[in-house]
Amino acid sequence: SSEVTQPPSVSVSPGQTATISCSGDKLGERYVCWYQQKPGQSPVLVIYQDNKRPSGIPERFSGSNSGNTATLTISGTQPMDEADYYCQPWDSTTRIFGGGTKLTVL
Amino acid sequence: QVQLVEAGGGVVRPGTSLRLSCAASGFNFETTDIHWVRQAPGKGLEWVAVIWFDGSNKYFADTVKGRFTISRDNSKNTVYLQLNSLRGDDTAIYYCARENREFGDAIDIWGQGTVVSVSS
Repeated sequence: SSEVTQPPSVSVSPGQTATISCSGDKLGERYVCWYQQKPGQSPVLVIYQDNKRPSGIPERFSGSNSGNTATLTISGTQPMDEADYYCQPWDSTTRIFGGGTKLTVL
Repeated sequence: QVQLVEAGGGVVRPGTSLRLSCAASGFNFETTDIHWVRQAPGKGLEWVAVIWFDGSNKYFADTVKGRFTISRDNSKNTVYLQLNSLRGDDTAIYYCARENREFGDAIDIWGQGTVVSVSS
C-alpha cells in the first residue's frame, strides 16, 4: 500500500466545523475509513467506505473521498471530539494508517 | 458481547521472542479476518499483520516481515502473533482487531491491547 498523509494537528472552536484531510496517490479510487482514538483508549471506527457511519456514531461525523484526498468532517464540534484521528485506505492485502491528526477543541 | 482480549505482552530483551494471543468471543470467529495493529509510545497506529478467516493467507508490514508470524486456531477462537528477533522499536501496545465485511472490511472491533517492551 502507498503512503497516506495527514496534518499532524487541527484546532477548532467548539461548535465550529473541523476538517481533517488524508492525502495519497489516487486515494479516491479506494475506500477510506476513519478511526478516533482518545488517550488511553483503543481506536473506534467513526467512518467506513468513505462516508458511512457505524451505528452509535453521531451524525456530526461525515466523510468524503475524491481525487487524491479523503476528508473527515466534524460539524458542530464538541469538546468530547478532541482526540487523534487516523485514516486508513482499503487494501486487499496489507493495510496502512495515516500518521494521525490530533484534533484540539479550544 | 463481542470481545477481543489480548495477552502475552511483557518486558523482554532485544533478540528474544514473545507470543501474543488474541481470544475472541461473541461473534462468528471462523468467518472473520483478524488484524494486529501496534502503537509505539506517543506514536500513531501501525498496521502489523492480518490473517484470513481460514488461515489461508497472511500479510505483514515490511517492518516485521521475516520476524513475526501469525496463526490461528479456530477451535479455540484465538489468533497468535509470534514476535521473533525483537528490537527496541518493536516496543508498543499491540492490539488485535476484527475486520468486518458489513463495514467494507474496515476494522470495527479492537481489543484493549497488550504491552510489549523490548529493553536491555
